[in-house]
Amino acid sequence: SQTIHQWPATLVQPVGSPLSLECTVEGTSNPNLYWYRQAAGRGLQLLFYSVGIGQISSEVPQNLSASRPQDRQFILSSKKLLLSDSGFYLCAWSDSNSPLHFGNGTRLTVT
Amino acid sequence: AQSVTQPDIHITVSEGASLELRCNYSYGATPYLFWYVQSPGQGLQLLLKYFSGDTLVQGIKGFEAEFKRSQSSFNLRKPSVHWSDAAEYFCAGSNTGTASKLTFGTGTRLQVTL
Repeated sequence: SQTIHQWPATLVQPVGSPLSLECTVEGTSNPNLYWYRQAAGRGLQLLFYSVGIGQISSEVPQNLSASRPQDRQFILSSKKLLLSDSGFYLCAWSDSNSPLHFGNGTRLTVT
Repeated sequence: AQSVTQPDIHITVSEGASLELRCNYSYGATPYLFWYVQSPGQGLQLLLKYFSGDTLVQGIKGFEAEFKRSQSSFNLRKPSVHWSDAAEYFCAGSNTGTASKLTFGTGTRLQVTL
């Protein structure tokens, strides 16, 4: 069966510091991969999605970037964090027509 | 614009009572619709999905949802709520089968009193 791993679970970083969140999927090949952000009291906002290695689509302009160095690895990064980057980040995967399957999320607090 | 609306931010029900969480959608054609549940500090788990066919969809944990085209609704129901159902519930929709175009509602937080 397929599993998705996301880490770290929580992270506290100062403003201006870099960020790297990692997500890996097991049990499937060539999945579609996604990064979402969830702010308090708001729904989920799609940040990035990828249909293959090196293929990244950005949904909103922001201080973040994403990379897919391997088929089942998806990384969310920032060179310099802003206070507004605080939130709950969720990685997800899907097949071509299957629903999203989410990881357990990363709580990021920028101080 | 395509959208999904959850009009209730917070709902409180007693354990054993019935539950209905509202979801309205705005799509030109018949959308693909989903309900997800999120426990505190966790990711989202799929409860059920509607693609086509029977308008009453059964999901996990005893939940069901009914697609009503005339009302543009996809409300989630459970006949008898358990304390463990306390969580946040998200409705989501897409006009394609691909998750990249999925739009989420803002969620409804369910509190269950004993």
